[in-house]
Amino acid sequence: DAGITQSPRYKITETGRQVTLMCHQTWSHSYMFWYRQDLGHGLRLIYYSAAADITDKGEVPDGYVVSRSKTENFPLTLESATRSQTSVYFCAIRPKGHTYEQYFGPGTRLTVT
Amino acid sequence: GENVEQHPSTLSVQEGDSAVIKCTYSDSASNYFPWYKQELGKGPQLIIDIRSNVGEKKDQRIAVTLNKTAKHFSLHITETQPEDSAVYFCAANTNSGYALNFGKGTSLLVTP
Repeated sequence: DAGITQSPRYKITETGRQVTLMCHQTWSHSYMFWYRQDLGHGLRLIYYSAAADITDKGEVPDGYVVSRSKTENFPLTLESATRSQTSVYFCAIRPKGHTYEQYFGPGTRLTVT
Repeated sequence: GENVEQHPSTLSVQEGDSAVIKCTYSDSASNYFPWYKQELGKGPQLIIDIRSNVGEKKDQRIAVTLNKTAKHFSLHITETQPEDSAVYFCAANTNSGYALNFGKGTSLLVTP
């Protein structure tokens, strides 16, 4: 158990609305990641964070904002949701003492209508 | 990001047979290659990984081989069982070291 929770697990929102997906970890690991999963594209990195107050862009950051004021939380915000952001979103952590391994949360299925 | 190509996209085998999934990568600096199994409605689960200083790694019925010269690595599942049915993803670390680039996945179906 990687100790990762994501909330909500399912969300339906309208185009143009702001929505925040939360990722919470229980073990104070430094590295946290946000991926989106779409058919035909696999998993693509949106943003990652090396520590509290340190974040960086991944492959597909446009339309997303992240913050990390506390080590255990890594929220992902869609400031003005678009239909193209309909996806399954996964948070991942890299445990302390590990160089590359990543462990994933259960995911949030987001539908933008 | 750097590409990770994965084949086949779908694979159907009979219970007890072996299954092989292949991936190629383009970044010569990549040195970590994990494999994930994803069951329906769940997050990807790390099942095995290999680093560039090792050519093969085995864990019970699953094994991974790596050919750094050719830039390809493969997942081998022997004596497949219906519970092996899932989507499998390969990945390689990026030149930044922090992130992983994923293949597009292989949907494996093991029929009794």
